Amino acid sequence: DARVTQTPRHKVTEMGQEVTMRCQPILGHNTVFWYRQTMMQGLELLAYFRNRAPLDDSGMPKDRFSAEMPDATLATLKIQPSEPRDSAVYFCASGQSSGNTIYFGEGSWLTVV
Amino acid sequence: AQSVTQLGSHVSVSEGALVLLRCNYSSSVPPYLFWYVQYPNQGLQLLLKYTSAATLVKGINGFEAEFKKSETSFHLTKPSAHMSDAAEYFCAVFDRGSTLGRLYFGRGTQLTVWP
Repeated sequence: DARVTQTPRHKVTEMGQEVTMRCQPILGHNTVFWYRQTMMQGLELLAYFRNRAPLDDSGMPKDRFSAEMPDATLATLKIQPSEPRDSAVYFCASGQSSGNTIYFGEGSWLTVV
Repeated sequence: AQSVTQLGSHVSVSEGALVLLRCNYSSSVPPYLFWYVQYPNQGLQLLLKYTSAATLVKGINGFEAEFKKSETSFHLTKPSAHMSDAAEYFCAVFDRGSTLGRLYFGRGTQLTVWP
């Protein structure tokens, strides 16, 4: 059963620490999305990639967030330094560029204290 | 620009009652439309999708949605609610009109099912 895999599932870290979240998209999917979910803002698109190239990262705070796709099987989202306001659930999703199949991972639940 | 509006951030129904969750979208071209469900402390699960085939789409767990172009709507329904349907539901539209192509989400509707 193909699925998007995210690690870690849960992370508690101290303010100022670096956090790296990883995502393995479904094999064959060429588009990868990073979303952040909070009670206040709902689902926010942070960045997304097609064929490993960043298409749009305008939703991401540039000073502390970075997103990359080192290869087709791995996407990373890094926060450095982390702040309490970064506490949220971070979702990775993958799909085809045609857009008719988009699947989400289980999320990385981040708490920054 | 694409947008998705979910009318009603909270919907409450009794077990066995009809579930109707509303979604309206704006799109410059016929879109792809999705409904996702999120159970507490879990990720988003694809419930159903419309990709320009039949306008009435059947999904998992007895849900269905109808694409109405004239009304720019994609409302989600289920004839008889079950306690296990309590969750948050998200409507989303895929922007086919842009070379970038991305998914736009509504703010979500929290469904409560009363016994």
